[in-house]
Amino acid sequence: AQTVTQSQPEMSVQEAETVTLSCTYDTSESNYYLFWYKQPPSRQMILVIRQEAYKQQNATENRFSVNFQKAAKSFSLKISDSQLGDTAMYFCAFMKMAGGFKTIFGAGTRLFVKA
Amino acid sequence: DGGITQSPKYLFRKEGQNVTLSCEQNLNHDAMYWYRQDPGQGLRLIYYSQIVNDFQKGDIAEGYSVSREKKESFPLTVTSAQKNPTAFYLCASRRDGTYEQYFGPGTRLTVT
Repeated sequence: AQTVTQSQPEMSVQEAETVTLSCTYDTSESNYYLFWYKQPPSRQMILVIRQEAYKQQNATENRFSVNFQKAAKSFSLKISDSQLGDTAMYFCAFMKMAGGFKTIFGAGTRLFVKA
Repeated sequence: DGGITQSPKYLFRKEGQNVTLSCEQNLNHDAMYWYRQDPGQGLRLIYYSQIVNDFQKGDIAEGYSVSREKKESFPLTVTSAQKNPTAFYLCASRRDGTYEQYFGPGTRLTVT
């Protein structure tokens, strides 16, 4: 069975600075997707960034980038130039590319961006 | 606008009563999912459906039931057999052949 571990329950960062959220996962699958989702106080889940396991190049979306280390089963999220609107829960998630595309979520990291 | 709607936003029930949570999507997505979110935990999969008239149990299906009679609708019934039903419930959908799930705004269920 797949598991996703986020070891940082809470983090804080000063506005305009950079912060990195950690995620590790365990799987025997070779083909899968990894995601970071953001859940602001409204509780609406928003996809931040995704990475296909077969791609070596790290994904980037504007101020968000990942460090994907497949052998180490590590998938960290870096947020550059942090903004107050980045304050949210962040969930790392694993999706197997078969069998209904079930997604396993980590417990989340609560990020506070301070002015 | 295309999207997923869940109603109501807040739901209150007495212990021992069954309650049905609504999830509707007009995205023409094939797959739909129900998740439960508890404080300090990530989302856990209750049930999912890849096609009309078919659905599978997720990781925590006990005490829940679903139906998928129409492509756009995937209601979740929380039965009296569910021991701890108070939680935040999220519905999601996904177009066949793609990876991205689109989430609804959620329903907060409180059972007393």
